[in-house]
Amino acid sequence: DVKVTQSSRYLVKRTGEKVFLECVQDMDHENMFWYRQDPGLGLRLIYFSYDVKMKEKGDIPEGYSVSREKKERFSLILESASTNQTSMYLCASSRLDRANEKLFFGSGTQLSVL
Amino acid sequence: GIQVEQSPPDLILQEGANSTLRCNFSDSVNNLQWFHQNPWGQLINLFYIPSGTKQNGRLSATTVATERYSLLYISSSQTTDSGVYFCAALATGTASKLTFGTGTRLQVTL
Repeated sequence: DVKVTQSSRYLVKRTGEKVFLECVQDMDHENMFWYRQDPGLGLRLIYFSYDVKMKEKGDIPEGYSVSREKKERFSLILESASTNQTSMYLCASSRLDRANEKLFFGSGTQLSVL
Repeated sequence: GIQVEQSPPDLILQEGANSTLRCNFSDSVNNLQWFHQNPWGQLINLFYIPSGTKQNGRLSATTVATERYSLLYISSSQTTDSGVYFCAALATGTASKLTFGTGTRLQVTL
């Protein structure tokens, strides 16, 4: 089975802190994604990456950056955390093959910014 | 971009009942997936179904691509089916990022 692992289940940070959310997948998937989920808004794509060192902005990239130095690891960075970034963050991965891009999710990180 | 709409937004069922969840999308798609998010937040991929019909136990899904909708059927519902069901679609000819609907919240009661 595909495993997507997020480093923390719950995280509490202070406004202005730099925050790193880590995600690792074990299935050699090319694509990796970061979403945030907020009540009433569903899942919104922040950034995605289809290869090492490649990244593409999603629908809501403002206030975030990403890093993909190795194929299995995709990091989301909040340069200066703000209270409106309190949310559930979900990492996902999939194969590059468009005919079979089944998406697999990690268990999520609930981030609270105080 | 593609619009994905799900209905109903909320559903309450008694254990043992059947239900149909609907997903409408605004463009032709080459990728359509259904997910279940359990009460602990974990999203599980149920079906990859850009067209046709698939079945997995008590769950089945049908996508009619030409009419731009997909249906998820849950038969003999159980309390463990509770949670939020999402569909997500990728429009033909676009980059590899799925657009999610806002979900159907299902509660199955005893």
